[in-house]
Amino acid sequence: DSGVTQTPKHLITATGQRVTLRCSPRSGDLSVYWYQQSLDQGLQFLIHYYNGEERAKGNILERFSAQQFPDLHSELNLSSLELGDSALYFCASSEDPPHGGSPLHFGNGTRLTVT
Amino acid sequence: GEDVEQSLFLSVREGDSSVINCTYTDSSSTYLYWYKQEPGAGLQLLTYIFSNMDMKQDQRLTVLLNKKDKHLSLRIADTQTGDSAIYFCAESIGNTGKLIFGQGTTLQVKP
Repeated sequence: DSGVTQTPKHLITATGQRVTLRCSPRSGDLSVYWYQQSLDQGLQFLIHYYNGEERAKGNILERFSAQQFPDLHSELNLSSLELGDSALYFCASSEDPPHGGSPLHFGNGTRLTVT
Repeated sequence: GEDVEQSLFLSVREGDSSVINCTYTDSSSTYLYWYKQEPGAGLQLLTYIFSNMDMKQDQRLTVLLNKKDKHLSLRIADTQTGDSAIYFCAESIGNTGKLIFGQGTTLQVKP
């Protein structure tokens, strides 16, 4: 168990809808990262938050947004969903600020299916 | 550019050693990681190495880093059927905390 909790485990929704994925980092970790895993794109970095502030953005679509709250949990919001958004979405957390090099610990992911 | 390459598949017999290879492109990588993903599960951190190290050993796992060639390998000694999984190599990009992952190598262990 990595200590990173993601809910829900599975989500099935229709095109055009909006969903929210939730992540609780390991106790004491200030950094939260979101990744998308799909068959065609592999593991893609979406966004990184550190102590409530956005630190880095990757291949995140404009229809997607995220935030990290004062209690350090994070939410990833996906809107106007398309079939191609079906994927496994991972959250990860780490102790240090970005330059610290501490490893990322991943949750078990949320599997999103858009029908 | 940022790119990590791995071979897609490796098959070994139980008890043999497995060697999974990875090449990366970003010379500013500070840390390199190996993660394991079992079916339906998340990514489990196996080990990682700082870029100024050549080798790291952790029980059955040995990581070798050739920084000049930007080549990383993971050796699993005495491979067991429970080691069957997808193994991902990843490099950290500068000071961002962002990881770039390879496509993953599927390790099949035959009894």
